[in-house]
Amino acid sequence: GQQLNQSPQSMFIQEGEDVSMNCTSSSIFNTWLWYKQEPGEGPVLLIALYKAGELTSNGRLTAQFGITRKDSFLNISASIPSDVGIYFCAGLTGANSKLTFGKGITLSVRP
Amino acid sequence: DVKVTQSSRYLVKRTGEKVFLECVQDMDHENMFWYRQDPGLGLRLIYFSYDVKMKEKGDIPEGYSVSREKKERFSLILESASTNQTSMYLCASSFSHRYTEAFFGQGTRLTVV
Repeated sequence: GQQLNQSPQSMFIQEGEDVSMNCTSSSIFNTWLWYKQEPGEGPVLLIALYKAGELTSNGRLTAQFGITRKDSFLNISASIPSDVGIYFCAGLTGANSKLTFGKGITLSVRP
Repeated sequence: DVKVTQSSRYLVKRTGEKVFLECVQDMDHENMFWYRQDPGLGLRLIYFSYDVKMKEKGDIPEGYSVSREKKERFSLILESASTNQTSMYLCASSFSHRYTEAFFGQGTRLTVV
């Protein structure tokens, strides 16, 4: 099945730094979602984006729905150790309710 | 708050056993999904259900079946467990509106020995 492109697979940052992740596709999506998964747990929804160009914040997290509808980015500001986890992007086309996922980026934060 | 609950966090089963993974959601969602998650492969859709008794194959349905007798419950069945089905299994649910997000359960780590 189709997947979204997320790279690199892993990121290592220092506590207090900002980090940005993006997610790209060759196809158009009508909804972009960002999830975080902590070890041994299921993914938790962080931010949902419904409109091209939309910029949405949730605390230290900011995400944007790309104008072309083929990409999205997630920014985490002033990272803290509990930000560690796997960050997945996901897209919905509207043609059905099935999500298309990226493979995720594993974020490590050094104290 | 949406709650999606998977019946077990950890399971160990023997090769050849029939295995049932249960998932219950309390938000009256029409859609329910089963994914498996493996390192380097991301989340892969096994089966999808958009209504009671309705099901649709995902990307990797081989070796699995599903049952949805009630709207809130979606079961994944491994007919004859094999070691290559050792994985993290994730259930999710969502409304059937076009742009709605999915919510996940906590996951079941299945080991087949």
